[in-house]
Amino acid sequence: AQTVTQSQPEMSVQEAETVTLSCTYDTSENNYYLFWYKQPPSRQMILVIRQEAYKQQNATENRFSVNFQKAAKSFSLKISDSQLGDTAMYFCAFMKHPPRAGTASKLTFGTGTRLQVTL
Amino acid sequence: GAGVSQSPSNKVTEKGKDVELRCDPISGHTALYWYRQSLGQGLEFLIYFQGNSAPDKSGLPSDRFSAERTGGSVSTLTIQRTQQEDSAVYLCASSLRTGKGLAGVSSTDTQYFGPGTRLTVL
Repeated sequence: AQTVTQSQPEMSVQEAETVTLSCTYDTSENNYYLFWYKQPPSRQMILVIRQEAYKQQNATENRFSVNFQKAAKSFSLKISDSQLGDTAMYFCAFMKHPPRAGTASKLTFGTGTRLQVTL
Repeated sequence: GAGVSQSPSNKVTEKGKDVELRCDPISGHTALYWYRQSLGQGLEFLIYFQGNSAPDKSGLPSDRFSAERTGGSVSTLTIQRTQQEDSAVYLCASSLRTGKGLAGVSSTDTQYFGPGTRLTVL
């Protein structure tokens, strides 16, 4: 079974600053995917960024980037130039590679980090 | 195009009543997932559909929970004889398919979530 750990229940950052959210996971799988999702008060779970485990290059999406350390099983999210709209719960999630073509796998989530962006 | 939609947005029911929660996935998405988000348990997987069949229903917490999907599209999650511990936000997600990526390695599509149904059992 896979586990995902987010050790920071709450974090705060000032607008325009940079913040890093931590995530570690435990798995015996070699092929898998990692995600960061954002959940604002509206409750809608929004994909922030995705990383395939076989790719060594860290994924980036505009102001969002990850530091993927496969050997250490670490997958942190860096938010640059933080904006008020980044205020939300952030969930790290793991998905193992589907067992065969045409199938899919469930997401296993961490407990989340509540990020507050302040003026 | 339209995202994943869920109805109702909020549902309040009395203990012992049955409830039905609906999910309408993104058009063309073949995979559909149900998750539950509660204060005590965090985000938990419930069941997953590929087309109309459910290859993985390992997360359903009891036989009071069931789900079906018809026409490879809309799904309904039914909770019978609701209990107070069923109170939670029920999230639905869909994904397009799995297949081969550019590197010849099988890839999987990202799951896109609906806004959820908040269920309160009194």
